[in-house]
Amino acid sequence: DAGVIQSPRHEVTEMGQEVTLRCKPISGHNSLFWYRQTMMRGLELLIYFNNNVPIDDSGMPEDRFSAKMPNASFSTLKIQPSEPRDSAVYFCATLGQLNTEAFFGQGTRLTVV
Amino acid sequence: RKEVEQDPGPFNVPEGATVAFNCTYSNSASQSFFWYRQDCRKEPKLLMSVYSSGNEDGRFTAQLNRASQYISLLIRDSKLSDSATYLCVVNMVNKFYFGSGTKLNVKP
Repeated sequence: DAGVIQSPRHEVTEMGQEVTLRCKPISGHNSLFWYRQTMMRGLELLIYFNNNVPIDDSGMPEDRFSAKMPNASFSTLKIQPSEPRDSAVYFCATLGQLNTEAFFGQGTRLTVV
Repeated sequence: RKEVEQDPGPFNVPEGATVAFNCTYSNSASQSFFWYRQDCRKEPKLLMSVYSSGNEDGRFTAQLNRASQYISLLIRDSKLSDSATYLCVVNMVNKFYFGSGTKLNVKP
């Protein structure tokens, strides 16, 4: 298995633009998490899906952020409109049935200028 | 209050030293506990799970104190390659919450 795959690896965009981050989870893993990591705040849990259904989005910072999981093999995190303070590394992670280990993608480094 | 709190460090230690990290968690109903390691500009990866009885993996020992709601990681005979950020992780209702991480620098 190729592991959790995120794209793009790097994204530089101008303030006000829409940004879409993508994640392909490990096949068979039924839980998916989106995290944001910054120096100031560390790793923050944004949203959690189980069996493609959003279970808890209380970590989503504001309405500019939205996430979807249309099927078991794909999820997106969208920011519209983007702001410089959204600059961070965004990680997708998935969890198997045994819930013993969360596997991370390599992350998307977002810079909003 | 954050769900998981850690001392950010950095801990600067010489090779061969023993170093210990602690973290505390807020939810007494937390189900499982882990230490993850994150290298610079990389994703976090599982280092070890933490069990109530304590567990050891080579030079690494993890302990859990449920009564006090804290978790510890002990690294003996530290190596240069141990330099990284160590993240304390708590599973609460199948959501993984991460501490901000403790940075370790092992110097020759």
